[in-house]
Amino acid sequence: AQKITQTQPGMFVQEKEAVTLDCTYDTSDPSYGLFWYKQPSSGEMIFLIYQGSYDQQNATEGRYSLNFQKARKSANLVISASQLGDSAMYFCAMREAFSTKLIFGTGTRLQVFP
Amino acid sequence: NAGVTQTPKFQVLKTGQSMTLQCAQDMNHNSMYWYRQDPGMGLRLIYYSASEGTTDKGEVPNGYNVSRLNKREFSLRLESAAPSQTSVYFCASLAGGTTDTQYFGPGTRLTVL
Repeated sequence: AQKITQTQPGMFVQEKEAVTLDCTYDTSDPSYGLFWYKQPSSGEMIFLIYQGSYDQQNATEGRYSLNFQKARKSANLVISASQLGDSAMYFCAMREAFSTKLIFGTGTRLQVFP
Repeated sequence: NAGVTQTPKFQVLKTGQSMTLQCAQDMNHNSMYWYRQDPGMGLRLIYYSASEGTTDKGEVPNGYNVSRLNKREFSLRLESAAPSQTSVYFCASLAGGTTDTQYFGPGTRLTVL
């Protein structure tokens, strides 16, 4: 069964520094997609970045990058040059290729301080 | 283009009351989903509809029913609300394909007293 694990309930980072949020996953399907979402205090779920299991390069979207290590089954989110507005909950999620279901981890609360 | 809309935004019920949460999307997406979010639990899938006319149970379906009224609309019904159903409920939709992401509604905060 597919499973997503986020072991960091909370993280602190100083403004302008980089931070890595951890995500490990478990699946027996060779084809899958990994997603990261941001949930600010206002509550909406905002899509950040996607990584496919067959993608040769790590995904990047602006200040967000995904450190994808397939053999270790990890898909860590790296936020460079943190901003105060990055303070939020961050969720890792996975969907297997022939499934329409997205399975979420329990999330990491990131707090950026000045 | 409103994306995914949900009504109501807030609701307070008494134990045993019933209600229906409404969700609609205007992106012509095939699949729609209902999640609940509880502190420390992430988002858990209640029910989903892979396409119009089909519905399937997710991780936590007990106490809920759903209706895929048409391609646009997917409702979630609580027949007899319980305090354990106090949660934030999110509706989402997905066009299809492995790389497509889910688009989420703004959420409904439900309290059952």
